[in-house]
Parts: sequence; C-alpha cells; structure tokens
Amino acid sequence: AQSVAQPEDQVNVAEGNPLTVKCTYSVSGNPYLFWYVQYPNRGLQFLLKYITGDNLVKGSYGFEAEFNKSQTSFHLKKPSALVSDSALYFCALGRQAGTALIFGKGTTLSVSS
Amino acid sequence: GAGVSQSPRYKVTKRGQDVALRCDPISGHVSLYWYRQALGQGPEFLTYFNYEAQQDKSGLPNDRFSAERPEGSISTLTIQRTEQRDSAMYRCASRRRGPGTGVYFGDTIYFGEGSWLTVV
Repeated sequence: AQSVAQPEDQVNVAEGNPLTVKCTYSVSGNPYLFWYVQYPNRGLQFLLKYITGDNLVKGSYGFEAEFNKSQTSFHLKKPSALVSDSALYFCALGRQAGTALIFGKGTTLSVSS
Repeated sequence: GAGVSQSPRYKVTKRGQDVALRCDPISGHVSLYWYRQALGQGPEFLTYFNYEAQQDKSGLPNDRFSAERPEGSISTLTIQRTEQRDSAMYRCASRRRGPGTGVYFGDTIYFGEGSWLTVV
C-alpha cells in the first residue's frame, strides 16, 4: 500500500532560524513527491516536487526539499524562516498509476518573531 | 480561467437536502480531481476525470455522492440526502495533461480554494 506520513502535527521555529518539516513515504516503485502549502482561507498552493534527478529540489518562496531514497523521506527545508511562512504544509505522494495524490495529514508551521 | 474556481465557497444546508458543488478548472487542463478535507486532516481523494470520462471513483464514500463533467470542462459534485458527516471542505483540482501523453504523473496538480460544506 502506498502512504505518506507527516510525523509532526506542529513545528515551531524562530524567525531567521532554519526550518524542517518532515515527510516519509511508502510506495512500490518510483515515488513522485510533492509539497503543498495552505494559508488561512486560501487554496492549496504548490511549492515543489520531486520526480527524478537531483535529490535536492528547489521550489517557491525559498523552500527546498531533500529526497532520501534509503530513508524514504522527503523533508521540506528552508535556511531562514519568515513569520509569513506560518501555514499548514502538506506532503503528497503521486500514486504509481499517476492518477491522484495521496496526502499526509499536514504539519502546522509556526514562525515566531 | 487563470486558476481553479469553485462555487459556492460556503454552503450551509439542512440534513437530507441535496447539494451541488461546482468546479471550473484551469483552461485547457485535461484532468480534474475532487478531494474532501476534514478538519485536521489532509485532502482525501474522491474521484477524477480525464476530459469528460470519469476514470476513478474509488474514493466516493457511498452512492449518495456522484460527479460529472459532461463537456470535459466544468464539473459538478453532487451529494444527495446530505448527512452531518458530509460536512467538510471539498476541493477541486486540475492538471494539464492526461495519461498517454508522456510523464503525466509528474505534472503539478493545481487546487482551487475549496467549498466549505456544513450540514446542520
């Protein structure tokens, strides 16, 4: 069975510090991994994706994610957090058949000034 | 349009009534998805279309839920005889390409702002 897990419900970080939001996955075959962000009263916005190639993927708003096949992880990172990064972050796995995405339950990121 | 558009944004309905939620995908996008998101949870797949054909409806929870996309563009998700457990955010999304046109499973899926449904 294919699944994605976000082990932390909430991550708290001070502005200017690096942040990491964790994601692990389980899939047979090659994974297609995505990060989305949800701001209050807004839709889900695409941040970045891993399909193939370099393990470090760069995305919008200075975010990046590192694909680690041996650890089956795809953690979201940013070198220096901003208060405006505070939001709900979802990791998602593309199903092998290429139809829909399977989402994690989300991690709330809170960046304090 | 420029983005995925959903209506209504907010709907309050009485238990037992039918509800129709509308989705207008990004112009030219082949694939259209419906997801449901309960509070504190990630989006859960309901169904998806390529053009007007419903490809997968395995996520629809029961036969009170149905969806259509008759002309391959706008889609409607209908919930009949609504129940309180149907209360959730219903999200629509679209994707540019469909199967058979290349590495489509890597294409980004773009979401609308969702329709909040409350059944009282």
